[in-house]
Amino acid sequence: GAGVSQSPRYKVAKRGQDVALRCDPISGHVSLFWYQQALGQGPEFLTYFQNEAQLDKSGLPSDRFFAERPEGSVSTLKIQRTQQEDSAVYLCASSLALGGMGYEQYFGPGTRLTVT
Amino acid sequence: GNSVTQMEGPVTLSEEAFLTINCTYTATGYPSLFWYVQYPGEGLQLLLKATKADDKGSNKGFEATYRKETTSFHLEKGSVQVSDSAVYFCALRLSSGGSNYKLTFGKGTLLTVNP
Repeated sequence: GAGVSQSPRYKVAKRGQDVALRCDPISGHVSLFWYQQALGQGPEFLTYFQNEAQLDKSGLPSDRFFAERPEGSVSTLKIQRTQQEDSAVYLCASSLALGGMGYEQYFGPGTRLTVT
Repeated sequence: GNSVTQMEGPVTLSEEAFLTINCTYTATGYPSLFWYVQYPGEGLQLLLKATKADDKGSNKGFEATYRKETTSFHLEKGSVQVSDSAVYFCALRLSSGGSNYKLTFGKGTLLTVNP
């Protein structure tokens, strides 16, 4: 079946613009995760949803970052007033299980955000 | 806190050479350990995993053994192919506790295999 999809794949934003990044998880997957991968680094956890509930947003780097999953399926990561340090690849992952424990997290291809 | 340290790349090998990518970890609890692979233009894929000490994960000719005494999970393959060229990430996830869903990754190691 279809894997995790993300759109757009590439986004160039001017400093100060708002951006919205979309994630379509695997159908039926309860858990959804966002990670940020800076150039030359490993992915770092941003936030976690269980269905529509955002249970952990401890990794969001500032209050300019906001994520939602209103119907427990598609998720959007929004970044307001983008800064150059926001340039990174944003990865979405989904998992069948509650909390992801014991079940694989399936990753999408990522959205590469470049802030100029 | 939790962290993963893996050998710096890039690593360049000839086809059929032996591969080792070192990975060590620090964890506040008892973690599960993973190797993920990222092929060019694709998302991260789980390559193999181990959930307890002395477990050996294996897949596609790759192997890694969970060594609690040395807090290590080194990735090995006896004979690499050009198609193995990718970035490899070592990662951990705590097995219990309130944040047992978070993956903590190393920085990644770029492997290039030449024909």
